[in-house]
Amino acid sequence: GNSVTQMEGPVTLSEEAFLTINCTYTATGYPSLFWYVQYPGEGLQLLLKATKADDKGSNKGFEATYRKETTSFHLEKGSVQVSDSAVYFCALSDQVGTGGFKTIFGAGTRLFVKA
Amino acid sequence: GAVVSQHPSWVICKSGTSVKIECRSLDFQATTMFWYRQFPKQSLMLMATSNEGSKATYEQGVEKDKFLINHASLTLSTLTVTSAHPEDSSFYICSAPGHLSGAEAFFGQGTRLTVV
Repeated sequence: GNSVTQMEGPVTLSEEAFLTINCTYTATGYPSLFWYVQYPGEGLQLLLKATKADDKGSNKGFEATYRKETTSFHLEKGSVQVSDSAVYFCALSDQVGTGGFKTIFGAGTRLFVKA
Repeated sequence: GAVVSQHPSWVICKSGTSVKIECRSLDFQATTMFWYRQFPKQSLMLMATSNEGSKATYEQGVEKDKFLINHASLTLSTLTVTSAHPEDSSFYICSAPGHLSGAEAFFGQGTRLTVV
């Protein structure tokens, strides 16, 4: 079945450092890919998405490019801030009959950013 | 954008009691909703798919008699944790799926359940 693998954390960076969180996926067909963020004590928020190969999703300085040839969707940010400390989930959408698309998540990567 | 509201956001209950968690789609109809469970510092595990007008579909290893799911209307799904035990303490999140290719799911705020 479809699955998502992302790098284990925690990742600890200093403020203004460059961030990369690796994500690869296994899927039949061409799923849409997502990054969700979960701040402490909160639910999930969509950070960015890409729906087809070579698409680049971007939001709040974060970027990820849908790479079909390497089945990857790595998350990057050029300069992290303390407020970026959170758990980041890579995910893909998997069609469920006629009921829409369910989300399959990676394990999550916890990011700590130090001032 | 579409909004999913989950209630309560946190609950503490005694062992042996039952707890009901509600998930509502506020501005759209959802024939399907998903229930996830998240253990501390772990990912979200899909528990079951809630289907309006029919029985829920449970993932392997999830006890359907313990986690009762009811999808009473096109805007409401409920998860009842029956005879709760401390090991049921967790963060439970519902979501309504996107219905278009590429559409993201919409998540509730989550419910933190603590069983004492």
